[in-house]
Amino acid sequence: DIQMTQSPSSLSASVGDRITITCQASQDINTYLNWFQQKPGKAPKLLIYDASKLEPQVPSRFSGSGSGTEFTFTINNLQPEDTATYFCQQYDIVKFTFGPGTKVEIK
Amino acid sequence: EVQLVQSGAELKKPGESLRISCKASGLIFTSVWISWVRHVPGKGLEWMGKIDPVNSYVKSNPSFQGHVTISVDKSATTAYLQWSTLEASDSAIYYCATGYNHGPYYFDYWGQGTLVTVSS
Repeated sequence: DIQMTQSPSSLSASVGDRITITCQASQDINTYLNWFQQKPGKAPKLLIYDASKLEPQVPSRFSGSGSGTEFTFTINNLQPEDTATYFCQQYDIVKFTFGPGTKVEIK
Repeated sequence: EVQLVQSGAELKKPGESLRISCKASGLIFTSVWISWVRHVPGKGLEWMGKIDPVNSYVKSNPSFQGHVTISVDKSATTAYLQWSTLEASDSAIYYCATGYNHGPYYFDYWGQGTLVTVSS
């Protein structure tokens, strides 16, 4: 089974900051990696698919990169409404696996 | 507009059975797979399995196989997640999701979630 890890598990940053979250896969997953935002009491929302493609209607301050086993997710110009937990998720022919999540708070 | 609308919150006792639903609209139901995802707050998201409404073929996460049943009613454009014997550890929020825009390996539309509480 492919395992996903994320770091950090939580972070606190100021409005306008740039933050980066890292996701690591236990084996090569090419670019089969998506990023989600989940706010309390809400369903996850797809932000980035195929590691770096921005989902329509998602602000351009969100971006993703990486391939193989190492991936990064970046929020430029952090906004108050970005307070949420962010998950990476890989897909292969066996199953889908989510990372444990990174909780992002605004200072 | 694509919508996945789930059934309401449930409070059940250990040993009881339960079926929750996910009603799809705004899409061609037989052109998408429907997945179920478990969310235990503080413990992350787990994909449970997915079903092809064309033929009711289910691909399951081995971690859940044998404990839950995923089914679909094509005529009602509704997918179901069912337990015959609930356990306290089944307490979670359950989401249905589909990859309407990007295909069967994506989750670009989600239901609003169904809270299941199992307690004696």
